[in-house]
Amino acid sequence: GIQVEQSPPDLILQEGANSTLRCNFSDSVNNLQWFHQNPWGQLINLFYIPSGTKQNGRLSATTVATERYSLLYISSSQTTDSGVYFCAKNYGGSQGNLIFGKGTKLSVKP
Amino acid sequence: SAVISQKPSRDICQRGTSLTIQCQVDSQVTMMFWYRQQPGQSLTLIATANQGSEATYESGFVIDKFPISRPNLTFSTLTVSNMSPEDSSIYLCSVELLPGYGYTFGSGTRLTVV
Repeated sequence: GIQVEQSPPDLILQEGANSTLRCNFSDSVNNLQWFHQNPWGQLINLFYIPSGTKQNGRLSATTVATERYSLLYISSSQTTDSGVYFCAKNYGGSQGNLIFGKGTKLSVKP
Repeated sequence: SAVISQKPSRDICQRGTSLTIQCQVDSQVTMMFWYRQQPGQSLTLIATANQGSEATYESGFVIDKFPISRPNLTFSTLTVSNMSPEDSSIYLCSVELLPGYGYTFGSGTRLTVV
């Protein structure tokens, strides 16, 4: 089946540091999303990025569809960036649901 | 942007009882999705709910345990039936609000079964 693998599983940063999170997937992509789940469990949509590069403030994401990976960059990290970051892709076709990776748990220390 | 409202946000329930979770979208959508997130785990799809037809369940999930209603294009409910402590999870609904913009999730229902 389709696989979505994320690395690293855990990451501890000092406030102000930069980081790169990686997502590898086993099949072609027509929907690749990055989410941030905050400590209260709310899942926030960060990027919809099946290909190319997007930026939103201190966050940016790049997906290289031909090589089946996506990267999420966090610059100048803040304590509010803490939480779990998930990437997810869908099956495509008529199946619209998402398959999630296991996530990267980020802790930003003051 | 459109909003997904989910309630209750959290509940503590006795084993053997049932809880119904509601998901309301402020625009019409064809498909609504229900996910479960067990403690410390990733999200797993429970079922897909289409208006006017029975929900489609993923492997490992059955209608008797997780009955779903989809009475119109903006609303769905998921019931967790005959609960046990193993059902303690976060339950989330999701929709694709606009093609090409990805999927959006409700704020989730944190369920604890005691």
